Amino acid sequence: DQQVKQNSPSLSVQEGRISILNCDYTNSMFDYFLWYKKYPAEGPTFLISISSIKDKNEDGRFTVFLNKSAKHLSLHIVPSQPGDSAVYFCAASVSADSWGKLQFGAGTQVVVTP
Amino acid sequence: DTGVSQNPRHKITKRGQNVTFRCDPISEHNRLYWYRQTLGQGPEFLTYFQNEAQLEKSRLLSDRFSAERPKGSFSTLEIQRTEQGDSAMYLCASSLIGSTGELFFGEGSRLTVL
Repeated sequence: DQQVKQNSPSLSVQEGRISILNCDYTNSMFDYFLWYKKYPAEGPTFLISISSIKDKNEDGRFTVFLNKSAKHLSLHIVPSQPGDSAVYFCAASVSADSWGKLQFGAGTQVVVTP
Repeated sequence: DTGVSQNPRHKITKRGQNVTFRCDPISEHNRLYWYRQTLGQGPEFLTYFQNEAQLEKSRLLSDRFSAERPKGSFSTLEIQRTEQGDSAMYLCASSLIGSTGELFFGEGSRLTVL
């Protein structure tokens, strides 16, 4: 059962514009959410996270928004740069179980065009 | 500064053979995770260790799979009697106890079963 869903397999955005990546989850026990970025032939790298006690977390060009009632989170990248072209994975965990036991979505391939 | 190291990077084997993958985590990290990623999907949790103790195994980990972390440092993942369905990228990650879900992933070991 897919508890974390990224329904957009790909996203194309122009350099300088905003990229918005969406993620939905079904398990109400999830209380910590993360975004990972993956380049080809590399492992995923941590990007940004948010606890369920917050609704927004910002780190430079990256902002994650959490809507618990809708079980939805999104990642905003502003402005998008060519180096942002990668696969982005949304992940969630139940912190009482283990921080590192993450449920991942299937990923969204972002292509930033000049 | 060494990250998580995985060997071999790519293994091609015939169905029915045994394979073993090795993971060397970041030296001070006491938690170690194994994930599996198939094409078009996000990583799926397999198992994790805290020091040398294996604390949890996913139901994805059939009896043909065994993981060890004998001295709380490196870990091995062995797959016996490989099947074509085992073809995937096997990712290792590590973290510190108390860290909030940020995992440091290796580049992965790709298994192809012919």
